[in-house]
Order: sequence, then C-alpha cells, then structure tokens
Amino acid sequence: GENVEQHPSTLSVQEGDSAVIKCTYSDSASNYFPWYKQELGKRPQLIIDIRSNVGEKKDQRIAVTLNKTAKHFSLHITETQPEDSAVYFCAASRGDDKIIFGKGTRLHILP
Amino acid sequence: DADVTQTPRNRITKTGKRIMLECSQTKGHDRMYWYRQDPGLGLRLIYYSFDVKDINKGEISDGYSVSRQAQAKFSLSLESAIPNQTALYFCATSDSGGPGDTQYFGPGTRLTVL
Repeated sequence: GENVEQHPSTLSVQEGDSAVIKCTYSDSASNYFPWYKQELGKRPQLIIDIRSNVGEKKDQRIAVTLNKTAKHFSLHITETQPEDSAVYFCAASRGDDKIIFGKGTRLHILP
Repeated sequence: DADVTQTPRNRITKTGKRIMLECSQTKGHDRMYWYRQDPGLGLRLIYYSFDVKDINKGEISDGYSVSRQAQAKFSLSLESAIPNQTALYFCATSDSGGPGDTQYFGPGTRLTVL
C-alpha cells in the first residue's frame, strides 16, 4: 500500500523567510496530493492540493510542486507570518481509495 | 466545519469500559473516516466507509469497530478500552463525486483511558 514520508518533523524559520516541507510517496498510481494545516487545538483543514497532471500550483503565499518521476512533492510558504505557525500534513491518494497522511511537520515562525 | 460534528468532545473512561464515539455530517458525502492522532505520529486511519454497506479496515483497526448506521452517521467503538487508546480521534468525510478526496474533519474527540 501507499506510504508517505514527510520531512522535517520540526521546522523553525524567521518571520518573513520562506519555509519548505517535503514529502515522498511510494505508490506510482497516486494522483492526488493535498496539504492540510492544523492549528493548535483545531481540526486539520485543506490549504492546497495538486493533481498528478500538474507540476506546480500556487495560491497567494503558498505553492506546491510535484515531481512524479521522483515521487516527491513539496509545500513552499513564502513571506512567512506568525499565523503560519501550525502543523502541516501532506497526503497522497489514488482518488478511488483512502488517503494516506504523512506524520506532519510542526512549523514555528520566529519573531 | 460545522457540517461535521462529533460527540462527545471529551471523554475520560476506565480500562475495560466500552466506549462509542459518534460522528454525524450534513454535507451529503458518501465517504466517512475515523482517524487517530497521537503526538509525532500524524493522522492514522482506523476505519473508513465509502457508502452505507461498505466498511474497510485502515492501518490501525485492532481494538476498534465501526458502524455506518446511515449515510450521515458513522460511529467508532472501543469494545474494551485500554490506556494506549488515549488519543485525539477525528472523524472526516469526503465526496466521492467531488474534486479529488478533500477531507472535511470534525472537531475531534479527546479520549483518555485511565
């Protein structure tokens, strides 16, 4: 079955700098790659997703890139702000099957 | 997301007790899931259901059972609770006909087994 590895487990960046979180997946049939953000004490919520027919997607300060050949995808957050502090989860799915999550990255934005 | 609700929100119980966690949704989604969240371990899938007659084990189903009573309701049971089942439990839904598998999570149930 699918296995999703996420790195790093913890990331600290200065406010205003960029943050990058990386994930790899094992199932070449996976075609949907969402990213979820979980603020402290709250539920995970989708922030951006990408499908296998697209290499990059942007939404304001966040972007996701996908390399199907290498089976890895990354989340990029630019001009980080205090409200970006949270746990971020990547995930992979074949669309017709369950979704598998990575173990999460705790992002700290330092003042 | 108020469309996915979980009861109870917090529960403290003792080892050996039977516990049921309930999830309801008004989103009209076919697919429902139960996840467990432990620090450093992310979201691990316990069980999932793609429609009322479909039940599937996830990666950590031992010690748990589920019931899909209706399209809108999916309950998780711990037949005999043990301390290492202390965790935060999330229910989620997704729409099989929608754009991909976007998951909509409930607010979570914090379960403590003493």
